This record gives sequence, structure tokens and C-alpha cells, in this order.
Amino acid sequence: EIVLTQSPGTLSLSPGERATLSCRASQRVSSSYLAWYQQRPDQAPKLLIYAASSRATGIPDRFSGSGSGTDFTLTISRLEPEDFAVYYCQQYGSSPTFGGGTKVEIK
Amino acid sequence: EVQLVQSGAEVKKPGESLKISCKGSGYRFTDYWIGWVRQMPGKGLEWMGIINPDDSDTRYSPSLQGQVTFSADMSINTAYVQWSSLKASDTAMYYCARRGGGREEGTFDIWGQGTMVTVSS
Repeated sequence: EIVLTQSPGTLSLSPGERATLSCRASQRVSSSYLAWYQQRPDQAPKLLIYAASSRATGIPDRFSGSGSGTDFTLTISRLEPEDFAVYYCQQYGSSPTFGGGTKVEIK
Repeated sequence: EVQLVQSGAEVKKPGESLKISCKGSGYRFTDYWIGWVRQMPGKGLEWMGIINPDDSDTRYSPSLQGQVTFSADMSINTAYVQWSSLKASDTAMYYCARRGGGREEGTFDIWGQGTMVTVSS
């Protein structure tokens, strides 16, 4: 099973700042089968990024994904009030798993 | 509108059985696998497995194999997850989600609203 480790656990930032979230895999993630989801309080998760760097339908371009192999990054270029949430990475190879999440909170 | 609508919250006692549902609409139900994701209180997301509503082919997470059973009824566009004997540790929010197609295949592109299951004596 591929274990995904997200860091930091919590990121305290102000609106307008840049957020950089990390997801590290215990083994290589094949074909960049890496996705990012956003979960706001009391809501279901929402797909943001698939294939490591492709934005899902309707996702603003302030969200971007990068990386390959075992190291992946989600960047939010300028935080909007609605972006304060928990973010999860997921590898969707043969036995999918989620990372533990990074909470982006208002500083 | 493409959506998944889940059944309502449940409160059960340990040892009881339970079946919760997830109804799809706005798309051809049999064209996409349905997945289930568990979220224990205050915790992260856990991939439980997926089912193909077209032929009921299933894939379970190794850690949950044998603990739950997935099923689907394509005549009413509904997927299910069931427990034969609930434990307190099954207390969680359960989400169903549509497995994406095309370049998004493998991701979960549409999510249900979640069903909260509470198991307590």
C-alpha cells in the first residue's frame, strides 16, 4: 500500500497570501495518478486537481498542482476567504489511498 | 445536473445490521463506477472501495475486506454499502462518489452529501 504523507499538518496564512502544500508518497506514484481534493467544514470533498497538474472542471486557475514520482505540491497562488479548508491528496493507482490532510486556516 | 443523493443519518446499536444507499441522477449510472469513502469523526478520508453498477464487479480496500459489502441496483440507479454486524468503530460519515472517466479516471469527480452512521449502545 502506498502511504501518502502531507505536510504541514496546519498552515496559518492570511487572505491574499500564497499557500504551498506538500504530499510525499512512500513509493513512486505511477503515471502521476495523483489528485487533490478540498473539503470545507461540514461539506463533502471536491476534486481540484487530477493527474498531478490538471485542474478539474470549474476550478479557478489560482489552484495549481505539480510534481511526479514521490513528491507532489498543491499551490494556491492567492488565498480567497473560501479557500480556508482541509486539503487531501490521493493516489489512484491499483490500491488507492488518501493522505492525512493539510488544514489551511486563517492567521 | 449530475448528482448523488445519499440516504439519511442512522443511529444503530452494536451488532445490528445496516444498509445505506446512494442514488445517482443526471448521467448514465452504469457508465461509471461508484466508490465509498469513510471519514471517522475529526479524521481524514479513507478509501473503502468501488463497485461497477453495470456488472457489480467490486474492489475493496485490503483493510476493509470482509467488513462491508457493496451492491448496486442499476434498475433504480442506486448503490449500497451494508454491514451485517455493526461495531462502535464503524461510527463515521460515509460518502459515495462517482469514479471519474476519461482523463479523470480513478479520481472521484462527483460526491454525495454523506451519510452519518452512529453506532452506540
